[in-house]
Amino acid sequence: EIVMTQSPATLSVSPGERATLSCRASQSVSSNLAWYQQKPGQAPRLLIYGASTRATGIPARFSGSGSGTEFTLTISSLQSEDVAVYYCQHYNNWPCTFGQGTKLEI
Amino acid sequence: EVQLVQSGAEVKKPGESLKISCKGSGYSFTNSWIGWVRQMPGKDLEWMGVIHPGDSDTRYNPSFQGQVTISADRSLNTAYLQWRSLKASDTAIYYCARRQGARHPFDYWGQGTLVTVSS
Repeated sequence: EIVMTQSPATLSVSPGERATLSCRASQSVSSNLAWYQQKPGQAPRLLIYGASTRATGIPARFSGSGSGTEFTLTISSLQSEDVAVYYCQHYNNWPCTFGQGTKLEI
Repeated sequence: EVQLVQSGAEVKKPGESLKISCKGSGYSFTNSWIGWVRQMPGKDLEWMGVIHPGDSDTRYNPSFQGQVTISADRSLNTAYLQWRSLKASDTAIYYCARRQGARHPFDYWGQGTLVTVSS
């Protein structure tokens, strides 16, 4: 089983500033990496897939990068509505494990 | 419009059985995968397993193998997650989600089903 490790556990960023979230895989997952956003009381929402492709309707301030074992989600200019927990997930093979999440605060 | 609609919240006692459902619409149900994800109270997401309703190919996370059963009814466009004997530790929100292929992310999610197991 591939273990996904996210850092930091909690990130506090001021409005308008950049937020950088990290995700590391215990072995290569190529570019088969997704990022999800989960707001309180809601189901997760797909943000990024293929490590760097924004899903339909996702604002351009969200971007993803990386391949292999190291990945980054960047929010270029934080908005109040971006407060959420962000999860990475690989889908390179079974089981498609999630990271433990990064809680983003304003 | 792709939609996944899950069955309502359940309150059960330890040892009871349960089957929750996820109905897909707006896409080809038999040409995609449906997966199940557990979220225990205040915790992170756990990938439980997936099923391809077209051929019933089912893959489980080893952590959940033998604890739950994933199935699907193509005629009803519905996937299921089933327990034979619930435990208090099964208390969680369970999400279903669609993936278009074996190497695809979960692109659409259900609203979640809260399962509470308490004596």
